Amino acid sequence: AQKITQTQPGMFVQEKEAVTLDCTYDTSDPSYGLFWYKQPSSGEMIFLIYQGSYDQQNATEGRYSLNFQKARKSANLVISASQLGDSAMYFCAMREGGGGGSNYKLTFGKGTLLTVNP
Amino acid sequence: DSGVTQTPKHLITATGQRVTLRCSPRSGDLSVYWYQQSLDQGLQFLIQYYNGEERAKGNILERFSAQQFPDLHSELNLSSLELGDSALYFCASSAGGLLHFGNGTRLTVT
Repeated sequence: AQKITQTQPGMFVQEKEAVTLDCTYDTSDPSYGLFWYKQPSSGEMIFLIYQGSYDQQNATEGRYSLNFQKARKSANLVISASQLGDSAMYFCAMREGGGGGSNYKLTFGKGTLLTVNP
Repeated sequence: DSGVTQTPKHLITATGQRVTLRCSPRSGDLSVYWYQQSLDQGLQFLIQYYNGEERAKGNILERFSAQQFPDLHSELNLSSLELGDSALYFCASSAGGLLHFGNGTRLTVT
């Protein structure tokens, strides 16, 4: 079974509007972390936001917020006020376990290609 | 700039050949992770090293091997290359729970 599922291969949004990118995950470990990365066409992987399984509040980082619904095992990324530079591939990823010591291996979803239209 | 350096940026080689990809982690990071990104498989974890020792293994082919040296840089060796090995290979390093990725090496096998 897929551990990270991103059901939207592609999304379109108008500049200045908000957009939600979906991510569901599957784990039986009570301790885990969820990450979102952005990959522009140039190829680099840029960290956006992190949510720990025990975090009470939804994570926010500037225009990015993570809508964490633990019971539904979803961790959707919300981008507010989209900009042309937000056009990129977005990946949801999960680390299982507390990551104690040295293990911070991530499992990635297939990604969502976001296009921001002017 | 993540602080993780990968060389070379691009590599074009023929089937059957062997190549070495190099990664220098961020200063102070002891862990190095290798990932392969291809169109059909997405981002796949290959292998992790921690302070010179192999710590975790993922979907790494037997034709592939890696090592981490005393100065903490790492090399990924790919041998008997096939067309299907064409991909973007990422190295990432971590020290406190967050993976910092290099810009990748794009390997093209012709």
